[in-house]
Amino acid sequence: DTAVSQTPKYLVTQMGNDKSIKCEQNLGHDTMYWYKQDSKKFLKIMFSYNNKELIINETVPNRFSPKSPDKAHLNLHINSLELGDSAVYFCASSQSGSLSYEQYFGPGTRLTVT
Amino acid sequence: AQSVTQLDSHVSVSEGTPVLLRCNYSSSYSPSLFWYVQHPNKGLQLLLKYTSAATLVKGINGFEAEFKKSETSFHLTKPSAHMSDAAEYFCVCYTGGFKTIFGAGTRLFVKA
Repeated sequence: DTAVSQTPKYLVTQMGNDKSIKCEQNLGHDTMYWYKQDSKKFLKIMFSYNNKELIINETVPNRFSPKSPDKAHLNLHINSLELGDSAVYFCASSQSGSLSYEQYFGPGTRLTVT
Repeated sequence: AQSVTQLDSHVSVSEGTPVLLRCNYSSSYSPSLFWYVQHPNKGLQLLLKYTSAATLVKGINGFEAEFKKSETSFHLTKPSAHMSDAAEYFCVCYTGGFKTIFGAGTRLFVKA
């Protein structure tokens, strides 16, 4: 069983469209994240939810809206897509309160905006 | 402010020779430190972690790292590189508050 899964794996869309990426984890973790990886492989955290509550909200355009229906799911909705949104988006999860606090990553969603 | 600096953006080694990927961190608190590996078109996989126990940490695939507080370093090493080690490597620091700091990554090339 995949620990952290994302759908879709690839997403090609046109500027101005609205799209969503879904993430699910079956590790029983209470914290989930969205990261954006640019073409230079730099990883930037976008959002983090702990027990369905938003705890990290970095400087991200408000066109990006995360939603956590439960602790196992964290979705990312993007409105009015722009060329600069093209990137790989990674979902991750971890367990708060653990000594190691390692994060488990999904396989990524490659978003291409044309 | 916390930060992670990976000193080399690219490292190239020959198969069978040692690997050294360098990472320095800056933190006001005792950090937890991690190395992740990302193979092409894949997600990130945890290689090893330091959480204030033994300073020499062994990970998967023969990798290890040593935490040196005096040098604020957490360099990743492997005695003998394999072609399958070619990937992007990220040094990561966690100091609390649900936030982790990622280094910019080091691309490892392995020549036959």
